Amino acid sequence: GQQVMQIPQYQHVQEGEDFTTYCNSSTTLSNIQWYKQRPGGHPVFLIQLVKSGEVKKQKRLTFQFGEAKKNSSLHITATQTTDVGTYFCAGPFQETSGSRLTFGEGTQLTVNP
Amino acid sequence: KAGVTQTPRYLIKTRGQQVTLSCSPISGHRSVSWYQQTPGQGLQFLFEYFSETQRNKGNFPGRFSGRQFSNSRFEMNVSTLELGDSALYLCASSLALGHNTEAFFGQGTRLTVV
Repeated sequence: GQQVMQIPQYQHVQEGEDFTTYCNSSTTLSNIQWYKQRPGGHPVFLIQLVKSGEVKKQKRLTFQFGEAKKNSSLHITATQTTDVGTYFCAGPFQETSGSRLTFGEGTQLTVNP
Repeated sequence: KAGVTQTPRYLIKTRGQQVTLSCSPISGHRSVSWYQQTPGQGLQFLFEYFSETQRNKGNFPGRFSGRQFSNSRFEMNVSTLELGDSALYLCASSLALGHNTEAFFGQGTRLTVV
C-alpha cells in the first residue's frame, strides 16, 4: 500500500553537530509537510514544500523536496538542545482527495549538551 | 487567536465501554481531521470532515465514528473499546479542504483502555 518511510528512527547528536532525516514515499506526493513534536506534546507544523526540487530554509533548518516529489529531507545545522523532539514528514498523495496526510514514522532527535 | 482545543486531555476507560472525544477547531476552519498516534503504528489517519460531511476515511473499524456540528465543533465516538484503542488521539483543523492546507493540531486526548 501507499506509505511514507522515514530514516533514521533515532538520532543522538552532540550539541553543535548537524542532523539530517530522510523521507521516502512509495508514490508521488502532492506536497511534503514537516512537523515537530516535542516530548509529551503534539505535532507542530514547520513547513510545506510544493514544487519539485524545492528548497526552503528556516534559520538553521533546510528542507528539500525531491525532483520526483517522492522524497524529502530535513537538515539541521549546529543542533541545539531546543531542537530535541520527533520530526515527522507527511504528505497527501497526489491521487487522494481532501487534506488526508500520510505520516512517516518520525525521527526522534536527542541532543546532548 | 485560539488554537485547536481538545477535551478531555486524559481519559481512562474500561474495555467494552464507549467514549466521546471533543475538538473545537480554530475559528473559521471548516476542515477537521483526526489521527491516532501509538508507539507501534505512529500517526494514523482516522477521518476527515468538511462542512459536516465525512470526506475521507482511514482504515479503522466502524466503531470509530464522528460528527461535526454546524459551528465546526467535532465529536469522535469510539464504541466497544478495546485495549488496542489506547492511544493519543489528535484533532487537526485546516482552513479549507485540499492538499495545500496547513494542519493545526490540538494537544490531543490520551485515552487509556484497561
